[in-house]
Parts: sequence; C-alpha cells; structure tokens
Amino acid sequence: AQKITQTQPGMFVQEKEAVTLDCTYDTSDQSYGLFWYKQPSSGEMIFLIYQGSYDEQNATEGRYSLNFQKARKSANLVISASQLGDSAMYFCAMRDAGTYKYIFGTGTRLKVLA
Amino acid sequence: EAGVTQFPSHSVIEKGQTVTLRCDPISGHDNLYWYRRVMGKEIKFLLHFVKESKQDESGMPNNRFLAERTGGTYSTLKVQPAELEDSGVYFCASSQDMWPGELFFGEGSRLTVL
Repeated sequence: AQKITQTQPGMFVQEKEAVTLDCTYDTSDQSYGLFWYKQPSSGEMIFLIYQGSYDEQNATEGRYSLNFQKARKSANLVISASQLGDSAMYFCAMRDAGTYKYIFGTGTRLKVLA
Repeated sequence: EAGVTQFPSHSVIEKGQTVTLRCDPISGHDNLYWYRRVMGKEIKFLLHFVKESKQDESGMPNNRFLAERTGGTYSTLKVQPAELEDSGVYFCASSQDMWPGELFFGEGSRLTVL
C-alpha cells in the first residue's frame, strides 16, 4: 500500500540558513509523482515542487529543491536561505500514475527564527 | 483568477446535527477532490470528481457522508448526522491537468462536532 512518512513533527531553523525536511514513501508502482505543499497559518495549501519518478535530476524551484533518492525512497525538501515567511506546515505527498488519489504525510511544522 | 473557495471556514455543531460544506473550484478545473485532516494526523483522501461524476469515493468514511457536484461546478459535502469523530479540517482541491495534476487547495473548512 502507498504510504508517506514524515518523521519530523517540528523543526527550527535560523533565518538565512538551509533546512531539510524529511519524507520517505512507499509504493510498488514504478511511475509516480512526489509533491511538497506548504500550509501557512492562513490555512491554504500551496504547491511548492514536483518530482517525477523517472526524472533523473532533482527538481528545483527557486529556494526549494527536492533531494530525490529513488533507491532509498526518499524525497526530502531542502529550503535554502530560510526566511521568516517560510514558517508553516509542510506536507509531502505522492500520487501513483495509475490513480487520481494523492497520499499525504502527517506534515512537519517549520519555525524560522530571526 | 479566483482560487478555490470553501464555505464555511468554521462550523461548530452538536452531535447528531447536519452540516453542509461547499467548495467552488477554480473555473475550468474538471478534477475536484475532498480531503480531511484530523488534528495531528495525515491529510486523508475522501473522494474525487471528474466534472459531475464521482471517480473514486473510496475514502468516504461511511454513509453519513454525501458529496455532490452540481453540473460539474461547485461541490457540496454533507455530513448527516454528524459524530464527534467527524471533527477536523475538510479541504477541497481542484486540478486541471491529469498528470502530474498539481492540486490547488482551498483554505479548508474546520468542522467541530460537540
């Protein structure tokens, strides 16, 4: 069965430093997508970054990058040069190519310290 | 362009009462999803519409939950009668593309059943 595991319920990072949020997944499919979403205090979930299972290069979007290690089934989110506005909940998600269903993890609450 | 909107943002009801949540997806998005997050747990899939048709309702907890999508536009999720364990945040999301199908979320409807 598909599963997303986020083992860090909460993280702190100093402003301007980099931080890695962990995500491991489990699927028996070969074709799938991995996503990260940010949920600020306003409640709306915001799409950050996507990695396809066949993508050979790690995805990057501005200060966000996805450290994709397929053999280890991990898809960690790296935020470089943290800003106070990065304080939020972060959710890792997965979708198998054959389904429309997205599976989410329990989330990691990130707090950026000034 | 308007985003996904959800109403109400917060609803407090007593056990046994009925509540109807509404979601207006982004115009033109054929795919509409309902998810639920119980405090501290993962975001769980409830169901998926393509236009007005239910594609997958495997995540609906039981027959107290009824979802509809009128004319392929807005969707409603009715809980009748509500139980204590129904408390949580109900998220609606929509997407346009089938793959990878980045989700656009609303701000969620927080349901508290007393």
